[in-house]
Amino acid sequence: ETGVTQTPRHLVMGMTNKKSLKCEQHLGHNAMYWYKQSAKKPLELMFVYNFKEQTENNSVPSRFSPECPNSSHLFLHLHTLQPEDSALYLCASSQVGGVQPQHFGDGTRLSIL
Amino acid sequence: SQKIEQNSEALNIQEGKTATLTCNYTNYSPAYLQWYRQDPGRGPVFLLLIRENEKEKRKERLKVTFDTTLKQSLFHITASQPADSATYLCALEVYSGAGSYQLTFGKGTKLSVIP
Repeated sequence: ETGVTQTPRHLVMGMTNKKSLKCEQHLGHNAMYWYKQSAKKPLELMFVYNFKEQTENNSVPSRFSPECPNSSHLFLHLHTLQPEDSALYLCASSQVGGVQPQHFGDGTRLSIL
Repeated sequence: SQKIEQNSEALNIQEGKTATLTCNYTNYSPAYLQWYRQDPGRGPVFLLLIRENEKEKRKERLKVTFDTTLKQSLFHITASQPADSATYLCALEVYSGAGSYQLTFGKGTKLSVIP
């Protein structure tokens, strides 16, 4: 059983829609991450939050807007997406400080029509 | 430019044999290296972490080596079983400042263990 839960598991949306992805971790971690995984490409780090503060934004387009209201919850707000944004979006969490393994959710499979 | 290469996209091996997966990197100076397993439709699961000053790490049937001179890590699964079939991801941990580390992943190697 994963300690990181992502909802929804699948999402189909049109390019003009607005939707949000949700991530919740029950591991007591204080760092959370969003990754994008496309076919035949490595995981791409999108955003990092440490203690609810955003510490990394890897040149992600503004149509992706993260939100971290507390250390246990992470959201990714989506609007005006493009077909190339279709991918698996993975959330992960870890402890902050030193080197820590990351614990991943099972992702949201996003399809843009 | 910085690159992480995992030797092949796919590797087929007979049950009972040792599977060896390779991770090579260029223009990185990782402090640590991690290996993850990913099953279809699931998120990656952490397996092993090895530090730059460690040559080898073991966990049950798994063994990881880390050669910072060759800029290479090898991941071995001994006595492989069909249940070991999955995609294995190599990830470099690089210090990004202010006490934080970032993970940069390779594309992965899909291992199939044939009964």
